[in-house]
Amino acid sequence: NAGVTQTPKFQVLKTGQSMTLQCAQDMNHNSMYWYRQDPGMGLRLIYYSASEGTTDKGEVPNGYNVSRLNKREFSLRLESAAPSQTSVYFCASTGGNQETQYFGPGTRLLVL
Amino acid sequence: AQSVTQLDSQVPVFEEAPVELRCNYSSSVSVYLFWYVQYPNQGLQLLLKYLSGSTLVKGINGFEAEFNKSHTSFHLRKPSVHISDTAEYFCAVRMYNFNKFYFGSGTKLNVKP
Repeated sequence: NAGVTQTPKFQVLKTGQSMTLQCAQDMNHNSMYWYRQDPGMGLRLIYYSASEGTTDKGEVPNGYNVSRLNKREFSLRLESAAPSQTSVYFCASTGGNQETQYFGPGTRLLVL
Repeated sequence: AQSVTQLDSQVPVFEEAPVELRCNYSSSVSVYLFWYVQYPNQGLQLLLKYLSGSTLVKGINGFEAEFNKSHTSFHLRKPSVHISDTAEYFCAVRMYNFNKFYFGSGTKLNVKP
């Protein structure tokens, strides 16, 4: 039982490049989330998916797209990376009772 | 709108001293409350949660928190901290019947020998 896994762990991009952050969970959870963490700002919700086939915007969705590929996987795509997207990105999931979030180890993204 | 305030961005404390990390929230509806801990270069781990019932909640690693509805607070306490408690702590809320979680800006606890 790996919990929530994220790839890659670290990535450097140039401005304008695109990339997809991958997230998978093996806990059979319905809801999945993408957050970004910046110093002094806590975690801010980018997008979330309450169930397979649905996605909704969070606080800071601009510049990002998501895909809930199946119940296990929820990917985050940056179409044209900008330096303001330099951050640590966390994926999380919650189970049937929606009470507790389980977090992945994070992806550190640097956009030059 | 929901918001979570952690007033102290950093809390320095000596080993074996007590500590309190403060969390206040605003919400027009009932909420679930959580504290998470983040060790350097890791994801967040659940420390404890308040869902209903007793307002004093005990968590892992000797931490506890008390829900105060009238003050809309959920402060985290530990009577005697260890060096290993050095980490960043996040308070979070979730409204009943909603899937979104709202996080505070975090408090860095620095335990000194």
